[in-house]
Amino acid sequence: GENVEQHPSTLSVQEGDSAVIKCTYSDSASNYFPWYKQELGKGSQLIIDIRSNVGEKKDQRIAVTLNKTAKHFSLHITETQPEDSAVYFCAAKSPGTSYGKLTFGQGTILTVHP
Amino acid sequence: GAGVSQSPSNKVTEKGKDVELRCDPISGHTALYWYRQSLGQGLEFLIYFQGNSAPDKSGLPSDRFSAERTGGSVSTLTIQRTQQEDSAVYLCASSPGGGTAKEQFFGPGTRLTVL
Repeated sequence: GENVEQHPSTLSVQEGDSAVIKCTYSDSASNYFPWYKQELGKGSQLIIDIRSNVGEKKDQRIAVTLNKTAKHFSLHITETQPEDSAVYFCAAKSPGTSYGKLTFGQGTILTVHP
Repeated sequence: GAGVSQSPSNKVTEKGKDVELRCDPISGHTALYWYRQSLGQGLEFLIYFQGNSAPDKSGLPSDRFSAERTGGSVSTLTIQRTQQEDSAVYLCASSPGGGTAKEQFFGPGTRLTVL
């Protein structure tokens, strides 16, 4: 089955700096890669996703890049703000299924210091 | 509109007891997923429903775990004879379903503590 590794496990940045979180996946047939933000007491929220037919996607301060050859994808947050502090999870859609079974990374605790 | 809701938000139980966790998906979402998140770990897939059927139960860790969905809406995850290793946050997600992966909307989770 699919295996997703996520690094770093914790990340601390100053407000205004950029933050980058990286994930690798094992199955080259995976074709959908969402990123979720989990805040304390709230449900996990999709913040951006990318499909395997594109290499990069951007939404305001958030961008995701995908390197299919190397089987890794990264989340980039620019101009970080304290409200970006949360746990971020990457995921890959398990191939061979027509539905959205996801395999998640271990999570990154991002702390943005004012 | 209303998002995915789960109840209870917290459950503390004694080892050996049975527990039921409830998920109310977004109205009209045909796909429903249960995940488990242990301390410091990522989300672990448990089971997938399409309508009332569960074509993928591969993530259920043992036969003490079962789930059902009725009316294509509410789902209940039942854990029998709970063990301490069952302590985790249990998350439910729903999506519109269909043939391609679509955004999954997560509930806030139920934190289960087995003493």
